[in-house]
Amino acid sequence: SAVISQKPSRDICQRGTSLTIQCQVDSQVTMMFWYRQQPGQSLTLIATANQGSEATYESGFVIDKFPISRPNLTFSTLTVSNMSPEDSSIYLCSVTGTGTSYEQYFGPGTRLTVT
Amino acid sequence: AQSVAQPEDQVNVAEGNPLTVKCTYSVSGNPYLFWYVQYPNRGLQFLLKYITGDNLVKGSYGFEAEFNKSQTSFHLKKPSALVSDSALYFCAVITYNQGGKLIFGQGTELSVKP
Repeated sequence: SAVISQKPSRDICQRGTSLTIQCQVDSQVTMMFWYRQQPGQSLTLIATANQGSEATYESGFVIDKFPISRPNLTFSTLTVSNMSPEDSSIYLCSVTGTGTSYEQYFGPGTRLTVT
Repeated sequence: AQSVAQPEDQVNVAEGNPLTVKCTYSVSGNPYLFWYVQYPNRGLQFLLKYITGDNLVKGSYGFEAEFNKSQTSFHLKKPSALVSDSALYFCAVITYNQGGKLIFGQGTELSVKP
């Protein structure tokens, strides 16, 4: 399984500002995913980030609000732009297992509070 | 539409008793099914998966799950619960006709009392 780290682990931000979350993997992976987990709720996929191409966003998520970079096979960033209290969530990145293992492995998450 | 349902928001079990956390799914094609566990203030940990083969799959920490195609279910089980099993459990399915996206159930809070 891959070892995934995220920075920051948590942050408290003011309304209208932006925060960039970093996701680092200890091995090269093709597909990386960004999820949001709102308080007391399940995980919702924001976008899929593949190296060398534009991120693919799910319904309800747009690039202007959640720009994503994927500069290489071990790193990705998610920016939460022009934040509002409704953006207060845990943001998690994940990667698929190697070969045909199919499961995804998750980072520890970034807990964001917007005031 | 592809979906996963966990019908119980919370499951309460006494330590030492067997536990079951229920999951049903609705997908087109063959499902690839997963269970994850989330401890407080921690990320998701992979428990087990069903891809193909034996309907009973075994995973981490003594957990197992049974794939039942006719009932479209993938219930998580453990013969003897521990207090340390108390956590939030998520069932999930991958739909490869939609780019391999992982679709999660709403989660079940498991509480094991001594």
